[in-house]
Amino acid sequence: QKEVEQDPGPLSVPEGAIVSLNCTYSNSAFQYFMWYRQYSRKGPELLMYTYSSGNKEDGRFTAQVDKSSKYISLFIRDSQPSDSATYLCAMTLRDDKIIFGKGTRLHILP
Amino acid sequence: NAGVMQNPRHLVRRRGQEARLRCSPMKGHSHVYWYRQLPEEGLKFMVYLQKENIIDESGMPKERFSAEFPKEGPSILRIQQVVRGDSAAYFCASSPGQGRFTMNTEAFFGQGTRLTVV
Repeated sequence: QKEVEQDPGPLSVPEGAIVSLNCTYSNSAFQYFMWYRQYSRKGPELLMYTYSSGNKEDGRFTAQVDKSSKYISLFIRDSQPSDSATYLCAMTLRDDKIIFGKGTRLHILP
Repeated sequence: NAGVMQNPRHLVRRRGQEARLRCSPMKGHSHVYWYRQLPEEGLKFMVYLQKENIIDESGMPKERFSAEFPKEGPSILRIQQVVRGDSAAYFCASSPGQGRFTMNTEAFFGQGTRLTVV
């Protein structure tokens, strides 16, 4: 079983829809959970990070962590064509390397 | 306020040559991570360094690959005798602090070096 599982997509949704992106993980010791966005041929940029179970909101983005189920989600409200990118979940132990999912390719259709 | 700088952005090498990839961390950052990304794949951890010290190299292939982060100058990822399978995007990230990744610490990524082996 891989440490982090993420559906690669592609996921296509119409503009304005709510997008739900998900990852599961196997290592219950992970403490910090992040979402990165990566545009084609660019480096990943950090969108959100959290270290506790529950929800964290930042503008149109909400990160959700369920440690009991080892499941994390990113929700994007009022999706825009500019949100089209690959979204990578990532997690880490304290003082340790970051482990990434494979990324989900998202297309927002105008 | 420069971010993480990687160079070159694109590198073409013939099989058997050496590739040297450079990463200058953000100002004030003393820790560097190297990742490799193959097409349609996520980022695979290679090595985690602080200045003059390798903290974790569990993701580095045992042969041909080496990394350093000297006291002065950028971090270098070196690939000797490149093969076609080394073709990938190589990303560097840096973080501040005492090697700790906490909620107050963010790992910032460079734009990557795209290595093509012909």
